[in-house]
Amino acid sequence: AQSVTQLDSHVSVSEGTPVLLRCNYSSSYSPSLFWYVQHPNKGLQLLLKYTSAATLVKGINGFEAEFKKSETSFHLTKPSAHMSDAAEYFCVVSDLNNNDMRFGAGTRLTVKP
Amino acid sequence: EPEVTQTPSHQVTQMGQEVILRCVPISNHLYFYWYRQILGQKVEFLVSFYNNEISEKSEIFDDQFSVERPDGSNFTLKIRSTKLEDSAMYFCASSFAGGDDGNTEAFFGQGTRLTVV
Repeated sequence: AQSVTQLDSHVSVSEGTPVLLRCNYSSSYSPSLFWYVQHPNKGLQLLLKYTSAATLVKGINGFEAEFKKSETSFHLTKPSAHMSDAAEYFCVVSDLNNNDMRFGAGTRLTVKP
Repeated sequence: EPEVTQTPSHQVTQMGQEVILRCVPISNHLYFYWYRQILGQKVEFLVSFYNNEISEKSEIFDDQFSVERPDGSNFTLKIRSTKLEDSAMYFCASSFAGGDDGNTEAFFGQGTRLTVV
């Protein structure tokens, strides 16, 4: 079965500095990988997804992630953090052969002024 | 833009009571899911549903839980006899496809916060 490990439960950055949220996955088959964001009292919004096309994936709000099969990683990055980026971020893996998506534990991103 | 809608947004129920959480998936989607997030914990998969039957379920989804697509638009999660530990945010999601066509993105609803007292 597939699984995801988010290496940091909490990341704190200053506004305007780069963001790195780390994610490693385990999957028996070719995985689909996603990053979702959850703002306080809101639902889950898709940031970006990887589904066996280009390994560098660009998402909304300036976020991007790179699929590295050799490292089984799918880290989320953004060159310059904005205050509105403060939220909980979830890395998610889904095998192409089944339909259940497995969530990581989440990383809380704090952005300081 | 099409979206998944869930009702109610918040439900309070007494322990032992039955609750039904309702979801309206995106209209042309074929796969439906329920997830839950206990306060302060990770989002957990409960069940996936396709072609009018459960395609996958987790160990959490025991006999207390059931899902149904009673008509062409609604997708419901029923908890037969609620326990205190069922208190959580429950998310419904739907996707157009679940196979290798690259279109496996799941769209999530805003969630229903269930409080069992």
